[in-house]
Amino acid sequence: QKEVEQDPGPLSVPEGAIVSLNCTYSNSAFQYFMWYRQYSRKGPELLMYTYSSGNKEDGRFTAQVDKSSKYISLFIRDSQPSDSATYLCAMSRNQAGTALIFGKGTTLSVSS
Amino acid sequence: DGGITQSPKYLFRKEGQNVTLSCEQNLNHDAMYWYRQDPGQGLRLIYYSQIVNDFQKGDIAEGYSVSREKKESFPLTVTSAQKNPTAFYLCASTTRGPDTQYFGPGTRLTVL
Repeated sequence: QKEVEQDPGPLSVPEGAIVSLNCTYSNSAFQYFMWYRQYSRKGPELLMYTYSSGNKEDGRFTAQVDKSSKYISLFIRDSQPSDSATYLCAMSRNQAGTALIFGKGTTLSVSS
Repeated sequence: DGGITQSPKYLFRKEGQNVTLSCEQNLNHDAMYWYRQDPGQGLRLIYYSQIVNDFQKGDIAEGYSVSREKKESFPLTVTSAQKNPTAFYLCASTTRGPDTQYFGPGTRLTVL
């Protein structure tokens, strides 16, 4: 079993839809959870960063972490064509500058 | 402006040649990382360095080499021993505190 599993999609939605992106993981030692957005041929950019369990909201984006189920989610409300990108989940065991473990990414397309 | 720069953006190499990819950051980050990204794959860790003059192998270090002589710089050499070097290479950096990784724009390497 891979440490981090993420459905690659592609996921296609109409503008204005609510999007749900998910990752599951197997290592209970993970404590830091991130979502990155990557446009084609660009470097990933950090969207959301969460420590341990709970929810975090930033504008149209909400990140959820359920450590008991080893499951994290990213919700995008009122999706826009500019949200069309690949979304990568990532996680790490501790804060001391260790490397991140990434999912394979989900490709999202929002049509106008 | 603070950030991470990678050069060149596109690089072409003939088989059997070594090539060095540049990564520079002015964020005063201690830790730096090199990842490789292939189509349909997540990011895979090649090498990382948490302090100057020290670095560790990641999951796919074979055929690659790095140096960390300055805090700001972490160049990656793709050697002729790397059997399948065509990929998108991403450099990242982070502080050693409760922070996460920020990425450069990437270098796309194509072996002809």
